[in-house]
Amino acid sequence: QSVLTQPPSASGTPGQRVTISCSGSRSNIGTEPVNWYQRLPGTAPKLLIYSNNQRPSGVPDRFSGSKSGTSASLAISGLQSEDEADYYCAAWDDSLNGWVFGGGTKLTVL
Amino acid sequence: EVQLVESGGGLVQPGRSLRLSCTASGLTFGDYAMNWFRQAPGKGLEWVGFIRSKAFGGTTEYAASVKGRFTISRDDSKSIAYLQMNSLKTEDTAVYYCTRLPFDSSGNYYMDVWGKGTTVTVSS
Repeated sequence: QSVLTQPPSASGTPGQRVTISCSGSRSNIGTEPVNWYQRLPGTAPKLLIYSNNQRPSGVPDRFSGSKSGTSASLAISGLQSEDEADYYCAAWDDSLNGWVFGGGTKLTVL
Repeated sequence: EVQLVESGGGLVQPGRSLRLSCTASGLTFGDYAMNWFRQAPGKGLEWVGFIRSKAFGGTTEYAASVKGRFTISRDDSKSIAYLQMNSLKTEDTAVYYCTRLPFDSSGNYYMDVWGKGTTVTVSS
């Protein structure tokens, strides 16, 4: 059971906009920044968003992040077939004194 | 390009020890905190612990599940972070990953670069 809650799956057609939610609590998302990762099969996670809404260089601006209260969201616009992957949210938890993750959302591009 | 390569995984009996290495390239290793994660078969990502850079004391933090059994250290001259795992249990079976921990503009750590992982199997 992951500390952060994500929907197990999401889907969209090419060109569509999809959002993936991540729900936590006051001790993690409520007080700490959220990061998002993309994981393609058989590869290491890749950082997409850090500090709630910051994109590292090289990440397309189709990816955006937001946070409100104890929830965060990752939005992917102009969906492409190569976006088909697992997406994870992560944040530091002040009560557990450690990093916590969501269980991951499998995005399918129909 | 920043690269992290984990090594040292393998099959080990319960109660024994194993040391993993995370070898970094393409960065000034000593400037960064380094982090370890694991993912057990069919399970989610679990934080193991991290070590701060020497500038911040080189101190460590651990998950409750490994505290007292696992130790993280670093050799900045070799650009390697280590994860010493003692008293291994079957539930420690997982793929172990290391990550770099830069700071954001507010001084919060975040994980940016990940290695591909090394597999540890604890079984008799």
